[in-house]
Amino acid sequence: QKEVEQNSGPLSVPEGAIASLNCTYSDRGSQSFFWYRQYSGKSPELIMSIYSNGDKEDGRFTAQLNKASQYVSLLIRDSQPSDSATYLCAVNTGNQFYFGTGTSLTVIP
Amino acid sequence: EAQVTQNPRYLITVTGKKLTVTCSQNMNHEYMSWYRQDPGLGLRQIYYSMNVEVTDKGDVPEGYKVSRKEKRNFPLILESPSPNQTSLYFCASSLYWGNTEAFFGQGTRLTVV
Repeated sequence: QKEVEQNSGPLSVPEGAIASLNCTYSDRGSQSFFWYRQYSGKSPELIMSIYSNGDKEDGRFTAQLNKASQYVSLLIRDSQPSDSATYLCAVNTGNQFYFGTGTSLTVIP
Repeated sequence: EAQVTQNPRYLITVTGKKLTVTCSQNMNHEYMSWYRQDPGLGLRQIYYSMNVEVTDKGDVPEGYKVSRKEKRNFPLILESPSPNQTSLYFCASSLYWGNTEAFFGQGTRLTVV
């Protein structure tokens, strides 16, 4: 079983819509959760971090964490074509970071 | 400017020829790590270091070596590269392990022929 699982997509949404990205993780002891955005051929860049159950909002982005269900999600409101990228879910477990394989998002103008 | 710098950005080499990919950070971060990224497999951690002279294996350490003699530098060494090590490599650093995000270098695209 993989440590972090994401739907690979591709996920397509029209411009202005809400994009919903999901992630599950296997280790109940995981403490820190991150969402990264990666454009093709570029390095990952941090969008959101979340450490406790509930929602965390930053601009158009909302991260949601449910430790009981071992589930992390990212909502992107008012999606823009510039949001088209691969979104990586990352989990810090012990001394290591584990990444999902990423969900490819395309925002259609 | 706070950054993680990797060199080289692109490298084509032949099987068996030792190579080193350098990584340097200027943020005084304690935690550094190396990842490889392959299609369909995502980012996988090769080695990590929690501080100077402290290194440990990640999920895919075979064929790689690292050292951490100074806090800012964390080179990745391939002593005898093979074609299955053809990949996109990223170095990353964090303030410390745990509840802090990772900052990534620009990546090194390695091709072993």
